[in-house]
This record gives sequence, C-alpha cells and structure tokens, in this order.
Amino acid sequence: GESVGLHLPTLSVQEGDNSIINCAYSNSASDYFIWYKQESGKGPQFIIDIRSNMDKRQGQRVTVLLNKTVKHLSLQIAATQPGDSAVYFCAEGPGDNAGNMLTFGGGTRLMVKP
Amino acid sequence: DTGVSQDPRHKITKRGQNVTFRCDPISEHNRLYWYRQTLGQGPEFLTYFQNEAQLEKSRLLSDRFSAERPKGSFSTLEIQRTEQGDSAMYLCASSYGNEQFFGPGTRLTVL
Repeated sequence: GESVGLHLPTLSVQEGDNSIINCAYSNSASDYFIWYKQESGKGPQFIIDIRSNMDKRQGQRVTVLLNKTVKHLSLQIAATQPGDSAVYFCAEGPGDNAGNMLTFGGGTRLMVKP
Repeated sequence: DTGVSQDPRHKITKRGQNVTFRCDPISEHNRLYWYRQTLGQGPEFLTYFQNEAQLEKSRLLSDRFSAERPKGSFSTLEIQRTEQGDSAMYLCASSYGNEQFFGPGTRLTVL
C-alpha cells in the first residue's frame, strides 16, 4: 500500500547548527502534510504543516519544503537547541473537510549535542 | 489545561481481559481520532468521529475493538479479550480543521 517513510532513523547535530529531517511519501493524492515532534512519554506535538499547492512554508525556526515532483518533504530547524531533541514524524493526509486520517512515517530521532 | 486528555495514562491487564480507555477532546473540536502507536513506529490510524458519528474505521480495528462518542464530546475505546499484540500506546487526537491535537496517550501492557 501507499505509505510515508523517512530516510534516516537517527540524526545527531551540534547545538546551534541547522538540522534537516527528510521524508518520502508515495501517495500522490495526498493534499496535506504535517510534521510532528514527539518527546518521550508524550503525544505528538504539531510543528508545521503545508498544503500541496505550496512548496515552502516557514514558522518560528522551522521551515517545511515540499517537492511534489519527487514526493519529498523536509523539515529544517534553524539553530538547533537541546530542547529540539525528540522523535520527528512526517504525516500525510487528504486534507479535505470530510476527515483527515493521517498516515505517519516511522520517525527520525534528533539528538542535539551541547 | 484545555488540551486533549486521556485516562488512564497506563493500563496493565492480563490476556483475555477487557479494557476501556477514555478521551476528552478540546471542547470546541468536532472531530476525534484514535491512533495506535507501537515502540519506534509512527501512530497508525484506527478510527475517527465527526461529532457523534463514526465515519471511518481502519482495517486494523478488529471486531474486538469498539469506539463510541455518544454525545459528540468524550470518546471511549474498548478492547475485548485483549491479546499480547494489543500492547501499544493508544493516542487520541481532536481537531476542528486540519490540525490535529494529540493527547498524552494511554499505554496498554497485556501480560
């Protein structure tokens, strides 16, 4: 079946550096993409989303890039901080108002070294 | 705290027993979702409600699983005759638009 997946299971970066987490998706019908952060023992926390009619969206210290040609999604975190250490999931959904059942990838663990 | 809440946070049960989990969504959210997450994996969609109507169920939701949202507010997820393979984190999320807000989850351990 169609799925969302990640290239790297673990990413280790130095505090202050920029982080890039990548994700590949295969459902070309997906209209909505989201990045979630999950800390140990907690539920996923929304970071940023993007619709398929956009290729870039910026938030506070985070940027999501969408390349529909190669079905690739990335999350860029600027000036990574120790508090950014967590598992990051990309997810895709139909994004319509009839419901939005999300399909999640397997996650990338981000480790920030002080 | 006005976020999504789930109860209990942890549940240990013996194989064959029934368990029920509760989710209280953010009050103005009309959609409520249940997901299951196993260690090291992303959440997997189980079912979703719009108000009190259950509109979608994953094939992962076997006939031992049932979910309700009787008044369009809180929801319950019941698992009957639990199996060891049911051990997982059960996450609830709610939304009004596209953005889903997740609760802290209920961790189920079946012995």
